[in-house]
Amino acid sequence: DAEITQSPRHKITETGRQVTLACHQTWNHNNMFWYRQDLGHGLRLIHYSYGVQDTNKGEVSDGYSVSRSNTEDLPLTLESAASSQTSVYFCASSAATSTGELFFGEGSRLTVL
Amino acid sequence: EDKVVQSPLSLVVHEGDTVTLNCSYEVTNFRSLLWYKQEKKAPTFLFMLTSSGIEKKSGRLSSILDKKELFSILNITATQTGDSAIYLCALRAGSYQLTFGKGTKLSVIP
Repeated sequence: DAEITQSPRHKITETGRQVTLACHQTWNHNNMFWYRQDLGHGLRLIHYSYGVQDTNKGEVSDGYSVSRSNTEDLPLTLESAASSQTSVYFCASSAATSTGELFFGEGSRLTVL
Repeated sequence: EDKVVQSPLSLVVHEGDTVTLNCSYEVTNFRSLLWYKQEKKAPTFLFMLTSSGIEKKSGRLSSILDKKELFSILNITATQTGDSAIYLCALRAGSYQLTFGKGTKLSVIP
């Protein structure tokens, strides 16, 4: 069955360290997204991609970067982790022909100390 | 800027009750409105609505959209403890990304 997987599922890091969260989907979807979820804010869009070599900033992109070198993967990098980036991160994907439904990964819980 | 507002933010009901969750929105180029259920992990898709007045139904859950008044409701009848979750409303406008509301946390007590 097609799926979308995130790793690591849990990570604790220190302020200032670089962190990369992996996202891999086997749906062959063109569209991929990274959201963060925080209490009181809901899901907020960080970055998104509509295909290989395409990346775009979302609502809360400061301090984050992504790259899309193939269809299956969209890693999210925190260049210098900050305590404000402690959150649960969700990767999602959708087909280019879809009318909106996103398929979500299980989430990655990141704690920055 | 597209905006999604959900109400109430939290709700506690007893098993067997009927609940109505609200989602209002502001958008410049409406494509669709989606409802998701989130238990402990990833949000799971419930409904997608594109046309006014057409009810979508799945078991005890149903949803409808009013594009004139810019809102949608999600109804759950005969609630069960398994319905306890965060219900998310999301808006698709113009492109593929979704704008989410803050969610309604529903707690169903026996």
